[in-house]
Amino acid sequence: DAGVIQSPRHEVTEMGQEVTLRCKPISGHDYLFWYRQTMMRGLELLIYFNNNVPIDDSGMPEDRFSAKMPNASFSTLKIQPSEPRDSAVYFCASSPTGGRNQPQHFGDGTRLSIL
Amino acid sequence: DQQVKQNSPSLSVQEGRISILNCDYTNSMFDYFLWYKKYPAEGPTFLISISSIKDKNEDGRFTVFLNKSAKHLSLHIVPSQPGDSAVYFCAASPYGQNFVFGPGTRLSVLP
Repeated sequence: DAGVIQSPRHEVTEMGQEVTLRCKPISGHDYLFWYRQTMMRGLELLIYFNNNVPIDDSGMPEDRFSAKMPNASFSTLKIQPSEPRDSAVYFCASSPTGGRNQPQHFGDGTRLSIL
Repeated sequence: DQQVKQNSPSLSVQEGRISILNCDYTNSMFDYFLWYKKYPAEGPTFLISISSIKDKNEDGRFTVFLNKSAKHLSLHIVPSQPGDSAVYFCAASPYGQNFVFGPGTRLSVLP
């Protein structure tokens, strides 16, 4: 049973470039979450989807960040233009129903470095 | 202002002894709590949960204690093993809302 799959695992790019992070949730999971982990702020929820529809994007830091879920098996998080302060580990997670007694399953993350 | 705090960035414990990881929260509406464990270069994995209707939940070597009046919870690992060395995240949520995570505590279990 495949878990949540994220790509790329590492991304190094220069400031100003567009960055696209990808996520494939676990099949059958209706909820998908994007998180960012930094040393200072820990794990922060950026946005989450239910049945491919964005429900809450209040954690998205700026208009430079956007997320889409065109179908049940794929989501992207895009940063355009990227800045050095966007450097972090970005995690995607999915859960079957979003219920609190059904914990989220996390991917292994994308380590993003903006030079 | 962090609503979920883990004031110890790191903790070292001898193998076989008890590990106690602490978590404090500020929002009195939080009523469900989780602990996640994270190894390097991997995503967090769920460890144990507790609802505010309980003050203790146990799963094998892992026990979570909740003190609602103090807005404090702790994770006890007994006995600690080298494989428990990881970063532990505490997370909390109010009913109907998403979880807020703490910054994590890095546990090192020394052989």
